[in-house]
Amino acid sequence: LAKTTQPISMDSYEGQEVNITCSHNNIATNDYITWYQQFPSQGPRFIIQGYKTKVTNEVASLFIPADRKSSTLSLPRVSLSDTAVYYCLVGRGDSSYKLIFGSGTRLLVRP
Amino acid sequence: GAGVSQSPRYKVAKRGQDVALRCDPISGHVSLFWYQQALGQGPEFLTYFQNEAQLDKSGLPSDRFFAERPEGSVSTLKIQRTQQEDSAVYLCASSILGASEPETQYFGPGTRLLVL
Repeated sequence: LAKTTQPISMDSYEGQEVNITCSHNNIATNDYITWYQQFPSQGPRFIIQGYKTKVTNEVASLFIPADRKSSTLSLPRVSLSDTAVYYCLVGRGDSSYKLIFGSGTRLLVRP
Repeated sequence: GAGVSQSPRYKVAKRGQDVALRCDPISGHVSLFWYQQALGQGPEFLTYFQNEAQLDKSGLPSDRFFAERPEGSVSTLKIQRTQQEDSAVYLCASSILGASEPETQYFGPGTRLLVL
């Protein structure tokens, strides 16, 4: 499984766009990139998943360059409730079931 | 619909005591996972069930840890002779089996275990 590297923490202000970049230099051909969000005293929650280019849903966008060695989670116009830990995971689509979490990025949104 | 539920939410145990943690997965979900999350760290995989079959228990830290899912729905994680290093949040997750892409795992709120 490819190892991921992401910033330990980030600060932002309400209404700003936040971009969290994750490095995964050893990503394999059939690996997908998945992001989870975790609030205090809760389990992680799936945000978005992609394989290449750009994926957008109602919560976030995921940008993946052509070499797929990194990815960027983009949160538009964050609010205080977006304060959480964000995890970038890389795993295989064919038989992967074991999620490998790193330490994540602690995002603090200030008023 | 109902999500993954876990009980108890908090458990305080004396060192050496046995504990049992319960997980009720989302109805119809074939796959069930247990993770352990230490303070300030990401969750770490413990074990995986497909229906009642335990297909992977490679993450269980010692033979004091035992998990079961006898009827393919509710699961119990049992820790025997608890030690202080077992203090952590134990997360349960479930997913629908069969997707070709990595499946979304739905997590419960966790059980926070404190061993004194």
